Amino acid sequence: QVTLKESGPVLVKPTETLTLTCSVSGFSLNNDRMGVSWIRQPPGKALEWLAHIFSSDRRSYCTSLNSRLTISKDTSKSQVVLTMTNMDPVDTATYFCARIREGAESHAFDVWGRGTMVTVSS
Amino acid sequence: DFQMTQSPSSLSASVGDRVTITCRASQGFSNALAWYQQKEGKAPEVLIYATSTLQSGVPSRFSGSGSGTDFTLTITSLQPEDVATYYCQKYDDGPLTFGGGTKVEIK
Repeated sequence: QVTLKESGPVLVKPTETLTLTCSVSGFSLNNDRMGVSWIRQPPGKALEWLAHIFSSDRRSYCTSLNSRLTISKDTSKSQVVLTMTNMDPVDTATYFCARIREGAESHAFDVWGRGTMVTVSS
Repeated sequence: DFQMTQSPSSLSASVGDRVTITCRASQGFSNALAWYQQKEGKAPEVLIYATSTLQSGVPSRFSGSGSGTDFTLTITSLQPEDVATYYCQKYDDGPLTFGGGTKVEIK
């Protein structure tokens, strides 16, 4: 069974750095041509794609947040980590991770985590 | 910046109605266009990928079409369980942009 689970702080202060972890199971981050993205959703608002890491370790970032984001993976731990610097109250959102099979056999983001709510407040 | 413009932002229709949601890209791309359904308080679920391929288990009343910059999601006979917000997404290469969403309600 393929699962993804997000973890991280519930509350961060403005200007702090947020670190979120996506723990995956049921597939490999380096052998199965699988990539993982982070997506967020502020309360009552639309989905916003943030960052993606490919099986090759290539990374791609949302243009507007590029300078604040870093995505990485630890294949031995089956984890994908997102860091976001200089947090602001507008970054309050539910943060999801989701996986995608790369290439012609892709079914888009076919498995998602349940999401983790992060509030930015002093 | 690449953008996906979805319309309408919300709609209200009766059970059994045909519903159409459109997604327009700022630049043309491959057929790597997906549609997701998100119910209140839940993670999104993929309905359609590769523009028109139904994900396993998704009812056949959902269909997708389009190419280049213009894509469409159609629900042929709206059901009460289809109340949700629907998103399109380009997923072939970065940026993997989502549309702004369409909230579907029952009249």
